[in-house]
Amino acid sequence: ILNVEQSPQSLHVQEGDSTNFTCSFPSSNFYALHWYRWETAKSPEALFVMTLNGDEKKKGRISATLNTKEGYSYLYIKGSQPEDSATYLCAHTTGNQFYFGTGTSLTVIP
Amino acid sequence: NAGVTQTPKFQVLKTGQSMTLQCAQDMNHNSMYWYRQDPGMGLRLIYYSASEGTTDKGEVPNGYNVSRLNKREFSLRLESAAPSQTSVYFCASKWATGTALATNEKLFFGSGTQLSVL
Repeated sequence: ILNVEQSPQSLHVQEGDSTNFTCSFPSSNFYALHWYRWETAKSPEALFVMTLNGDEKKKGRISATLNTKEGYSYLYIKGSQPEDSATYLCAHTTGNQFYFGTGTSLTVIP
Repeated sequence: NAGVTQTPKFQVLKTGQSMTLQCAQDMNHNSMYWYRQDPGMGLRLIYYSASEGTTDKGEVPNGYNVSRLNKREFSLRLESAAPSQTSVYFCASKWATGTALATNEKLFFGSGTQLSVL
């Protein structure tokens, strides 16, 4: 079992603010790191998968970075909007098994 | 465009009853997963199936059995339900492509089954 930790547990920001969350994971035997977005009453949806140290991925106002040597990934949201309100999950995978963190719950206040 | 379909959406059981949660995907994915979601615990892997005909235990397999009936279907069975199995259950399948150096993959999730064991 791989320990994946996310911080903060929850976050409230004003509309227009930029924010970021952290995912930490064991740096040994790294295969891939995933970010998922989970809206209330829906299922998790994939945002990014990153495999190489130094990877950066971007989708609109959301971006993510990866440091496999020190075992962390950051997710950034620029200019948060109310529709960004969701729980953001990261998952470390060894190939077949995905180990999820407990998520960061983001609330964007209009 | 069904994706991953789970049934039922809700279920209430009495302690000791049995039931099977059904999951089917129409995306021709090899790997399928069962997770449970509990408050403050994150998604925890119960069982997974890397390909048709194979199943493996995840983090929390006790009290569960699975069947990979064919490539499309992966069911989860509770033989004798316990209150500790009250949870939301998610089925997922994995899309993957790429080389060993740059694998691209992601999970597609079903809509979940909310199970209460009284």
